[in-house]
Amino acid sequence: EAQVTQNPRYLITVTGKKLTVTCSQNMNHEYMSWYRQDPGLGLRQIYYSMNVEVTDKGDVPEGYKVSRKEKRNFPLILESPSPNQTSLYFCASSFGGESSYEQYFGPGTRLTVT
Amino acid sequence: DQQVKQNSPSLSVQEGRISILNCDYTNSMFDYFLWYKKYPAEGPTFLISISSIKDKNEDGRFTVFLNKSAKHLSLHIVPSQPGDSAVYFCAARVLNTDKLIFGTGTRLQVFP
Repeated sequence: EAQVTQNPRYLITVTGKKLTVTCSQNMNHEYMSWYRQDPGLGLRQIYYSMNVEVTDKGDVPEGYKVSRKEKRNFPLILESPSPNQTSLYFCASSFGGESSYEQYFGPGTRLTVT
Repeated sequence: DQQVKQNSPSLSVQEGRISILNCDYTNSMFDYFLWYKKYPAEGPTFLISISSIKDKNEDGRFTVFLNKSAKHLSLHIVPSQPGDSAVYFCAARVLNTDKLIFGTGTRLQVFP
């Protein structure tokens, strides 16, 4: 089954404790992206990757890191989480180019930082 | 600065009637406009698209209209069904990129 998986689905952590949210897709997509969803703000892009070893900042990259060592994986790293990073996070992937507007989303990771 | 805006946070429609969801944008550098649908505890799923050179695209019960002069698009769902109850996000793709910019979402409730 074609899908985007994220782990964990739920995470409660404390300020400053490094964490990683994993994202994996099995559709051989070139393009992968991370979004956060906050009330009244919709989905905002954090980082994206056009292909292996190619990453770039989205609209709200502060406090986050990513890597793309393999085509299928695109982990999101919070080196020192803070309470303002409490949010619902989505990973997405698509083929690049003309049909890139059809993005496939993972089920989401709800992160709480206390 | 919100480039894609959905001014109605919620909409309630009776089953069988038409649902109309609206979206406005402020940037002309978009080549595609999209609608995504999101159920609770799931990720958004792609619903329908329209190219910036078109003014209408239809897929079954779903039709998207684009008014470029007004920088406005709308999604019509006819007839509405209870299973359509979800949050709908309008989005736009930035020209010559793979980047999508999303609106804030409209929660649609279809009641019997």
